[in-house]
Amino acid sequence: DAGVTQSPTHLIKTRGQQVTLRCSPKSGHDTVSWYQQALGQGPQFIFQYYEEEERQRGNFPDRFSGHQFPNYSSELNVNALLLGDSALYLCASSLGGVNGEQYFGPGTRLTVT
Amino acid sequence: DAKTTQPNSMESNEEEPVHLPCNHSTISGTDYIHWYRQLPSQGPEYVIHGLTSNVNNRMASLAIAEDRKSSTLILHRATLRDAAVYYCILRDPWSAGAGSYQLTFGKGTKLSVIP
Repeated sequence: DAGVTQSPTHLIKTRGQQVTLRCSPKSGHDTVSWYQQALGQGPQFIFQYYEEEERQRGNFPDRFSGHQFPNYSSELNVNALLLGDSALYLCASSLGGVNGEQYFGPGTRLTVT
Repeated sequence: DAKTTQPNSMESNEEEPVHLPCNHSTISGTDYIHWYRQLPSQGPEYVIHGLTSNVNNRMASLAIAEDRKSSTLILHRATLRDAAVYYCILRDPWSAGAGSYQLTFGKGTKLSVIP
């Protein structure tokens, strides 16, 4: 049983460019959350998708957007990249219940130059 | 979500028990206490969670103070693989509505295990 998978593993982009990160949830999970983790900090919640809709959003600008597909996989898009967007982007999946544990993927390391 | 306070770092000898403290003095009656850990170069992984009673699973034990203002994650025999950042997180599932929730991470406690 595959856990949460993310692609790509690493990515280097230039300021102003756009990036798309991908996530496949753990088998049987229907909810996907995205987190940003800066170096030396804990992960910060970006948003959560359930039934192909954004259900909750953290304190991130509209440059961050996402999508969930009918097979529950998800994409995170970031437009107009800034140097400060350099971070580890984590995807977590869970069942839509109120207190289910979240399973995290290994993350995508984004570097903006 | 209510805030938690954890020590920045702790050290333990291999095969010794480890007690990782967490203070949450403003915890509400419906906040669950969750623990996650993040090994180097990996995403966080769930360890344990509880509401009022002490909890045990194959990974660890969670001891919750009677007034719920603090809790302790107990690793019974630390191994080198337990070296990680441990996060104590409070979450009130009912505040977010059924079917959705987020985790609010702090900086956690970096646990070093000495061989």
